[in-house]
Amino acid sequence: SQTIHQWPATLVQPVGSPLSLECTVEGTSNPNLYWYRQAAGRGLQLLFYSIGIGQISSEVPQNLSASRPQDRQFILSSKKLLLSDSGFYLCAWSQGGEKLFFGSGTQLSVL
Amino acid sequence: RKEVEQDPGPFNVPEGATVAFNCTYSNSASQSFFWYRQDCRKEPKLLMSVYSSGNEDGRFTAQLNRASQYISLLIRDSKLSDSATYLCVVTPLTGGGNKLTFGTGTQLKVEL
Repeated sequence: SQTIHQWPATLVQPVGSPLSLECTVEGTSNPNLYWYRQAAGRGLQLLFYSIGIGQISSEVPQNLSASRPQDRQFILSSKKLLLSDSGFYLCAWSQGGEKLFFGSGTQLSVL
Repeated sequence: RKEVEQDPGPFNVPEGATVAFNCTYSNSASQSFFWYRQDCRKEPKLLMSVYSSGNEDGRFTAQLNRASQYISLLIRDSKLSDSATYLCVVTPLTGGGNKLTFGTGTQLKVEL
């Protein structure tokens, strides 16, 4: 069966510090991968998605970047965090379709 | 107008009650619809797809009204464990996973 792992679960970072969140999927090959952010009281916002290694699409301009160095690995990064980057970050995968399966999420607090 | 709108609630209902949520969408080209469940500080999990003819999964019934552009979720015989936020999701015909639009969710609290 397929599983998705995301870490860390919580993170507290100072403004201006770098960020690296990692997500890996097991039990499937060539999945579509996604990074979402959920701010308090707001819907999920798609940040990045990838249909293959090295193929990244950015949905909104922002202070973040994503990379997919391996088929089942998706990384969300920032060189310098802003206060507005705080939120609940979710990695997800799908097998080409519309049903998404989410990782357990990372609660990021930028102080 | 938001693409997907949900009443945020909370809906406070006694155990055993029947409760229904609606979700309206603005894009008439929307073709696929889903309900996700999200527990506090957890990831959303797919609850059920919504089919044109309506569909049922145990105590849960989902319906689609294309004319009025809304979908609904009915929960019968509510359990304490049903307490969660329910997210409505829509996507256009040509969309893939990157075209999903999530509502902000409706919070349900089932009480003794």
